[in-house]
Amino acid sequence: EPEVTQTPSHQVTQMGQEVILRCVPISNHLYFYWYRQILGQKVEFLVSFYNNEISEKSEIFDDQFSVERPDGSNFTLKIRSTKLEDSAMYFCASRDENLRQFFGPGTRLTVL
Amino acid sequence: GENVGLHLPTLSVQEGDNSIINCAYSNSASDYFIWYKQESGKGPQFIIDIRSNMDKRQGQRVTVLLNKTVKHLSLQIAATQPGDSAVYFCAEISGNQGGKLIFGQGTELSVKP
Repeated sequence: EPEVTQTPSHQVTQMGQEVILRCVPISNHLYFYWYRQILGQKVEFLVSFYNNEISEKSEIFDDQFSVERPDGSNFTLKIRSTKLEDSAMYFCASRDENLRQFFGPGTRLTVL
Repeated sequence: GENVGLHLPTLSVQEGDNSIINCAYSNSASDYFIWYKQESGKGPQFIIDIRSNMDKRQGQRVTVLLNKTVKHLSLQIAATQPGDSAVYFCAEISGNQGGKLIFGQGTELSVKP
């Protein structure tokens, strides 16, 4: 069964550094998403992406964040200058034609 | 406004019993809901969904009930097994085209052998 994949599983970085989180959505899906989950809290929406552009973003998704679909398979989230409070699990999801969203295993980002 | 919340943060059940996890929402315009299961260290796993034109939907050992009158959603798990131990989230799909999910806080289900 097709799955969303994410790399790396764990990323440790210094505050102020740039990170790129990578995702491969399910191949025939057209909508892609990034969510984050701070430890012990609920999952929060960051951004949705369709037809090579952002369709919606949350207040969390400020100008330090960007997304890109550099080729036909990858979907990336870049944080330009990481802050301590960016430490969280970051989940990528893609959506099928019935609106169901399927999540990847996540990347644990630790900012020191 | 949009609000999806869960009544109880934890639920402990005996193996073999049925589990019921509840969820309340405040946006009467919400028309699509999903239940996710999240095991420790993993991403949310799709369990079952329901649209607002339905009251009930059944899957394998799981049933989702939707009461639009009181804006309440529940997930019933039959014959709960140790492998069902996880955090369960209900999520509402916002009515906009982007389809972002709005998650509740989650209920942690513990199954005692």
